Amino acid sequence: DAGVTQSPTHLIKTRGQHVTLRCSPISGHKSVSWYQQVLGQGPQFIFQYYEKEERGRGNFPDRFSARQFPNYSSELNVNALLLGDSALYLCASSLESVGNYEQYFGPGTRLTVT
Amino acid sequence: AQTVTQSQPEMSVQEAETVTLSCTYDTSESDYYLFWYKQPPSRQMILVIRQEAYKQQNATENRFSVNFQKAAKSFSLKISDSQLGDAAMYFCAYRALIQGAQKLVFGQGTRLTINP
Repeated sequence: DAGVTQSPTHLIKTRGQHVTLRCSPISGHKSVSWYQQVLGQGPQFIFQYYEKEERGRGNFPDRFSARQFPNYSSELNVNALLLGDSALYLCASSLESVGNYEQYFGPGTRLTVT
Repeated sequence: AQTVTQSQPEMSVQEAETVTLSCTYDTSESDYYLFWYKQPPSRQMILVIRQEAYKQQNATENRFSVNFQKAAKSFSLKISDSQLGDAAMYFCAYRALIQGAQKLVFGQGTRLTINP
């Protein structure tokens, strides 16, 4: 089975622009989570979606938004980009069933804001 | 708030030897999960091992094992017979349930170097 996939791999944007990142979960997984990993740090939680509903949000401004589609794929949108948004954005999917809560990560999207 | 601390930014070990990576966490919950993830230079985060807090027995996955001390809130990772392919960033993570979200709280990571 294919793992979590993300697109694009790399992205360069200018301050003030908008960006959309995409994620496809492992087949059968209904939950998708988004994390931001700034260079040299651990990932920080942004959002979790389960069955197309937002389950939780981390400490990120309203410029960050996301959604999940009927096929459980997900998009992360960031408006009015700042230099500080430069990071690796990771998507993780999980089954979210009793006893099975591991999150499996995709390869990430490297966003550079200039 | 739950926090995870990895006090060793970098570690190195000779190939075939054993190394232990440290992790402490803070939580008021009694039931939770702990994980170790590996992130090689290619950057894909890979799950190494998991531990359920309600289990007293330490988890083991081949050459990887943990020392889970619940009272001390400590969760260290031991890698036996280190191999060159073990070189990576290692992240300790705690699975928190906050406002319904099953989020992972990560430590800052430990960069592990394997010397041939």
